[in-house]
Amino acid sequence: NAGVTQTPKFRVLKTGQSMTLLCAQDMNHEYMYWYRQDPGMGLRLIHYSVGEGTTAKGEVPDGYNVSRLKKQNFLLGLESAAPSQTSVYFCASSYSDRAMETQYFGPGTRLLVL
Amino acid sequence: KQEVTQIPAALSVPEGENLVLNCSFTDSAIYNLQWFRQDPGKGLTSLLLIQSSQREQTSGRLNASLDKSSGRSTLYIAASQPGDSATYLCAVSGNQFYFGTGTSLTVIP
Repeated sequence: NAGVTQTPKFRVLKTGQSMTLLCAQDMNHEYMYWYRQDPGMGLRLIHYSVGEGTTAKGEVPDGYNVSRLKKQNFLLGLESAAPSQTSVYFCASSYSDRAMETQYFGPGTRLLVL
Repeated sequence: KQEVTQIPAALSVPEGENLVLNCSFTDSAIYNLQWFRQDPGKGLTSLLLIQSSQREQTSGRLNASLDKSSGRSTLYIAASQPGDSATYLCAVSGNQFYFGTGTSLTVIP
């Protein structure tokens, strides 16, 4: 039981390049989330999904796209990376009802955009 | 918009001391409040979850309280140990999750 895994762990991009971050969970969770963590800002929700085939915008969605084609995977895409997207990205998942369930986090992806 | 604040931003205590971390939030319409631990370069690990109808939760040396009407929560750590050194974050769940910026705790042996 690996929990929540993220690929890659670290990446350097040049401005304008694109990339996809992969999140996978093996806990059969319905809900999945992408956050970014910046110094002094705390974690901010980018996008989330309440089930396979669904996605929704969070607090800071601009510049990112997501897809949830399979229940266990949640992909975060950057179509044209900008230096402002330098951050640590965390994926999380939870079973269902947000009032009852905790979130389980992956180890993070460190992204540097030059 | 929900604002979550954690005070202090950093705390250093000698081993064995009891300590309290504070979390405040501006909108009392929450589903739950969670406390997380984050070690350097790692993801977040859930410590305690308090549902909006509850007043406190306990796990081992940790006790978290929630006063929804005043928008406050505290995390009490008893008999602190060097292994407790980490950043502690609180998060509230409303229409989405909102996190505080954390308290960096150092327990000195």
